[in-house]
Amino acid sequence: QKEVEQDPGPLSVPEGAIVSLNCTYSNSAFQYFMWYRQYSRKGPELLMYTYSSGNKEDGRFTAQVDKSSKYISLFIRDSQPSDSATYLCAMGARAAGNKLTFGGGTRVLVKP
Amino acid sequence: NAGVTQTPKFRILKIGQSMTLQCAQDMNHNYMYWYRQDPGMGLKLIYYSVGAGITDKGEVPNGYNVSRSTTEDFPLRLELAAPSQTSVYFCASTARDRGDYGYTFGSGTRLTVV
Repeated sequence: QKEVEQDPGPLSVPEGAIVSLNCTYSNSAFQYFMWYRQYSRKGPELLMYTYSSGNKEDGRFTAQVDKSSKYISLFIRDSQPSDSATYLCAMGARAAGNKLTFGGGTRVLVKP
Repeated sequence: NAGVTQTPKFRILKIGQSMTLQCAQDMNHNYMYWYRQDPGMGLKLIYYSVGAGITDKGEVPNGYNVSRSTTEDFPLRLELAAPSQTSVYFCASTARDRGDYGYTFGSGTRLTVV
């Protein structure tokens, strides 16, 4: 079993729809959680970052963390064609090295 | 402000050849990382460094070596290239010691070993 599981997709939605992405994890030591967006042939870029269980909102993006269920989610409201990308979840613990463990990524396609 | 710069962007190697992937950051980040990304497999950590002169192995270090002589540079060396090392390689950095846990990634090096 992988330490972080993420559905690879692809997830295809019409423009304006809500995109819902999620990851599950097995390591209860993870303390902080991130979502990265990666466009084709580019490096990942940080979208959202949270420490605690609950919701965090930033514009059209909402990140949810449920540590009791070991489950994190990312919601994208009013999706745009420019949101078409691969979304990677990542998580880590405040141990030496600040190493992040990544999910395999979910490919999202927003159709105009 | 360039962020994290990786060179080269593309490279084709023959089996058994060696090369160095360059990574430089200008953000004065102490923590630097090398990941490889294979299709559908996410990012796997090869090596990381928490400061100049300090390096440590990640999840998949075999066939690679690193050095960190300065804060800015973190080159990755491939010795005796094998087809299994065909991948996209990303360098990243973070300022964890300043309370920033998010990574800044470079644009990647796409390597093919034939």
